[in-house]
Amino acid sequence: QQQVKQSPQSLIVQKGGISIINCAYENTAFDYFPWYQQFPGKGPALLIAIRPDVSEKKEGRFTISFNKSAKQFSLHIMDSQPGDSATYFCAASKGYIPTFGRGTSLIVHP
Amino acid sequence: DTAVSQTPKYLVTQMGNDKSIKCEQNLGHDTMYWYKQDSKKFLKIMFSYNNKELIINETVPNRFSPKSPDKAHLNLHINSLELGDSAVYFCASSQLSNQPQHFGDGTRLSIL
Repeated sequence: QQQVKQSPQSLIVQKGGISIINCAYENTAFDYFPWYQQFPGKGPALLIAIRPDVSEKKEGRFTISFNKSAKQFSLHIMDSQPGDSATYFCAASKGYIPTFGRGTSLIVHP
Repeated sequence: DTAVSQTPKYLVTQMGNDKSIKCEQNLGHDTMYWYKQDSKKFLKIMFSYNNKELIINETVPNRFSPKSPDKAHLNLHINSLELGDSAVYFCASSQLSNQPQHFGDGTRLSIL
């Protein structure tokens, strides 16, 4: 049973555009929702994270929107750059049991 | 200094062999994890250790066994390697469960 569903699987945007990746979860006990960025040959690295007591968090060009009632959260990348081309994972956790989405491969064309 | 380091980076071996992957973190974190990333990049948690105690153990074959000599190290031992074990294995650590995980750069295991 996949507890965190991530979409789309792949995404292509033009430089300067907005990239949007969505995730939906089932377990209402989750209390931590991070997004990780992974470049080829490297491990995932934390990009931004949110807790369920806030609806939005922004850090530079990256914003998480969180909808607790719908059990959904999304990552918005404003002014997307070629250097943002990577695989993005959403995750959700409660206790020491993190669950990852299946990842989104983002390509930003110059 | 590398926060989470794992060795080796590449591991090529024959089916049926036994191998180990080492992981060390210098962040002072209390919890360490092992993940398996398959060819489709799906990340699946295998083990989690908190203060040297195994606190979760996903349904992985018992050919895989984590060993933690101290809080800074979590090694992964794999017995009787099978073709399906080919993947990238990541070690990670975090201070608490609801805080960021720091990942190593992975060990790419290839079974011939």
